[in-house]
Amino acid sequence: EIVLTQSPGTLSLSPGERATLSCRASQSVGSSYLAWYQQKPGQAPRLLIYGASSRATGIPDRFSGSGSGTDFSLTISRLEPEDFAVYYCQQYGNSPFTFGPGTKVDFK
Amino acid sequence: EVQLLESGGGLVQPGGSLRLSCAASGFTFSSYAMSWVRQAPGKGLEWVSAIIGSGGGTVYSNSVKGRFTISRDNSKNTMYLQMNSLRAEDTAVYYCAKSVSGAAYSNIDYWGQGTLVTVSS
Repeated sequence: EIVLTQSPGTLSLSPGERATLSCRASQSVGSSYLAWYQQKPGQAPRLLIYGASSRATGIPDRFSGSGSGTDFSLTISRLEPEDFAVYYCQQYGNSPFTFGPGTKVDFK
Repeated sequence: EVQLLESGGGLVQPGGSLRLSCAASGFTFSSYAMSWVRQAPGKGLEWVSAIIGSGGGTVYSNSVKGRFTISRDNSKNTMYLQMNSLRAEDTAVYYCAKSVSGAAYSNIDYWGQGTLVTVSS
């Protein structure tokens, strides 16, 4: 089973700042089958990025993903108030399809 | 518009069984893999199981393998999760989710709102 580790656990930032979230896999994620999801309190998750770097439909271009193999990142170029949430990475290249523990982006 | 509506959650005693359903609409159900993902209260997301579009292939997390069974009825646009030998640690909101293709190895693009399963005596 591929274990995903996300860092930091919590990222305290202000609107307008840049956020960089990390996701590291315990073994290589095949074909960059890595996705990022955003979840706000009381809501279902929302797909942001798939295939490590492709933005989902309707996702603003301030969100970008990069990486391959075992190291991936999600960058939010300039935080908007609605971006304060929890972010999860998920690998879907090897069964079982595991999620990382999440990174919470909150207000500084 | 894609809609996923879960039902069947509730309170069950340890060792008991429950069957969740997910009614789908707004897309050609049989063309897409579907998944169940759960979230324990105050915790992160945990992938549970997935089934390919045709229903002929399934995969499970290690924590539920042998206890849970995923299935689908493409004539009814509905997916199921039969949960047996339930434990306290299975307590969670269970989300139904649609994948972007018919293959199991594809990412989720839509999520339902979830149904709460509580395992307690």
